[in-house]
Amino acid sequence: QVQLVESGGGVVQPGRSLRLSCAASGFTFSTYAMHWIRQAPGKGLEWVAIISNDGINKYSADSVKGRFAISRDNSKNTLYLQMNSLSAEDTAVYYCARSACSAGSCYSPDFWGQGTLVTVSS
Amino acid sequence: DIQMTQSPSSLSASVGDRVTIACRASQGIRDDLGWYQQKPGKAPKRLIFAASSLQSGVPSRFSGRGSGTEFTLTISSLQPEDFATYYCLQHNSFPWTFGQGTKVEFK
Repeated sequence: QVQLVESGGGVVQPGRSLRLSCAASGFTFSTYAMHWIRQAPGKGLEWVAIISNDGINKYSADSVKGRFAISRDNSKNTLYLQMNSLSAEDTAVYYCARSACSAGSCYSPDFWGQGTLVTVSS
Repeated sequence: DIQMTQSPSSLSASVGDRVTIACRASQGIRDDLGWYQQKPGKAPKRLIFAASSLQSGVPSRFSGRGSGTEFTLTISSLQPEDFATYYCLQHNSFPWTFGQGTKVEFK
């Protein structure tokens, strides 16, 4: 069965860095685009970033541009999010999710992991 | 950026009620829209893709309509397990954007 398991969350001080991982199994990872989506405590969903199936194309939200970097290793079936210069506004549950794509367009994510909590606090 | 305005932000309903949630895009997005259900402490679950296509395994009481800028999610007969928060997501252009959510509560 499809599984996405996030890890790497925790408590980090403002200004520091953290790297999240998402281990995929149960499907052909290299054929799906992948996302990071976050949810601050008690708030709505915020799309963070996407990476194409081959890792070449990447897009991110303005709120994280220049600070966060999405990447993937298809040989390890793993997605990453490198988060730098963290602030309290980055405190959230971070979900990874997959999207099928065709002819240059991607569908809405059909499967999500259970999320990992990142708390930015001194 | 495309803004997604979802309404209402919350509603109270009873089991068996027909419930409709609306999402309006600030510019045309064709049918590049998904609907999600989220329960407390859980990951979102996709209900509808491509504005009106039912996700496999999702009960047929859920339906989606719309194209361009106006979209709706309808639950034809609300069941106890449907009390949750619902979100729309546009994936027409980057950055992808969610509506602010609609919390469906028990009346």
